[in-house]
Amino acid sequence: AQSVTQLDSHVSVSEGTPVLLRCNYSSSYSPSLFWYVQHPNKGLQLLLKYTSAATLVKGINGFEAEFKKSETSFHLTKPSAHMSDAAEYFCVVSDRGSQGNLIFGKGTKLSVKP
Amino acid sequence: EPEVTQTPSHQVTQMGQEVILRCVPISNHLYFYWYRQILGQKVEFLVSFYNNEISEKSEIFDDQFSVERPDGSNFTLKIRSTKLEDSAMYFCASSDTGTGGTPQHFGDGTRLSIL
Repeated sequence: AQSVTQLDSHVSVSEGTPVLLRCNYSSSYSPSLFWYVQHPNKGLQLLLKYTSAATLVKGINGFEAEFKKSETSFHLTKPSAHMSDAAEYFCVVSDRGSQGNLIFGKGTKLSVKP
Repeated sequence: EPEVTQTPSHQVTQMGQEVILRCVPISNHLYFYWYRQILGQKVEFLVSFYNNEISEKSEIFDDQFSVERPDGSNFTLKIRSTKLEDSAMYFCASSDTGTGGTPQHFGDGTRLSIL
């Protein structure tokens, strides 16, 4: 069975400093992995996806994530946080053998201090 | 950029009443999904739908739930007799293929409050 563990429920950074949101996955198949972001009162927006091509994936708004099979990790990073990055971030796995339904982590709330 | 739209944004319903949540997926997408998020908990898969039938459903999606594509644009989730524990944010999503590597596009959600 597939699962996702987001290691931090809340991360707080200062504006201009790096962001690291951690995610570990468990999958019996070769996984597809995603990061979604949810701003207050908004839907879930895709940040980036990994589907077995390059292990370093670049997404929107300067975010990137690195797939590390040996560590079963897919951590999300950004070199310099912006106030507008404050939101909830979800690491998501999809088993390519499934009909495409997504399995979500619990989410990490990112706060950005001025 | 095309969007998934959901109506209403907030629905308040008495326990035991029927409720229908509506979604308009992206127009050229063929696969449709419903998820829910109970306050403070994970986003959970409910059901996937393709070619006018359910492809997959979770344990949550019991006989009280049904989905329908009544016309060429809408995709609905019906809860027949609501319970207090149905209070949650419900998200509709769509994708152009049903394979696991395809991103799903989400609407802004409907917040369902059962009194």
